[in-house]
Amino acid sequence: RKEVEQDPGPFNVPEGATVAFNCTYSNSASQSFFWYRQDCRKEPKLLMSVYSSGNEDGRFTAQLNRASQYISLLIRDSKLSDSATYLCVVTLNYQLIWGAGTKLIIKP
Amino acid sequence: GAGVSQTPSNKVTEKGKYVELRCDPISGHTALYWYRQSLGQGPEFLIYFQGTGAADDSGLPNDRFFAVRPEGSVSTLKIQRTERGDSAVYLCASSLVPAGELFFGEGSRLTVL
Repeated sequence: RKEVEQDPGPFNVPEGATVAFNCTYSNSASQSFFWYRQDCRKEPKLLMSVYSSGNEDGRFTAQLNRASQYISLLIRDSKLSDSATYLCVVTLNYQLIWGAGTKLIIKP
Repeated sequence: GAGVSQTPSNKVTEKGKYVELRCDPISGHTALYWYRQSLGQGPEFLIYFQGTGAADDSGLPNDRFFAVRPEGSVSTLKIQRTERGDSAVYLCASSLVPAGELFFGEGSRLTVL
């Protein structure tokens, strides 16, 4: 079992729809959680950190479920510009463990 | 500049040659990471520096790969006797604190013919 797993997709979603995807992790001692966004042939960039209480940033909501060991990302009112690969990152001490990413395609 | 800078952005080399990839992190960032990424995959960890020392080099695939950070700032990833399987985008990232928010460079795309 991989340490961090994501559905690779692609998720094909019409513009304006709501989309959600999860990321599961295997080590219950994992400490911090992040979502990064990566555009095609670009470097990853931090989208948002994931806090235990859940957090929201505009159209984006991230949640952490420690009991079931997954984090989620919800995107509301999706835009064409949201098309990208979304990578989750889990940290344990100084180590960052990356998922392979979920590809999202927003269609007009 | 304010961001992480990597050079060269593209490198094409022949099998068996030696390659150096350079990373200039954000000023003041003590943590520096090297990753490599192949198409459709997440970043694969190579090595992590805290200051000048390699705190974790467990991701280096074999002894052809080596990295240094002599003054705790700029880092160089060195690949000897390159193989076609080394072709990938090599990403460097720095953070203010270990395992904090990572700021990535644009990567060095290495192609080994």
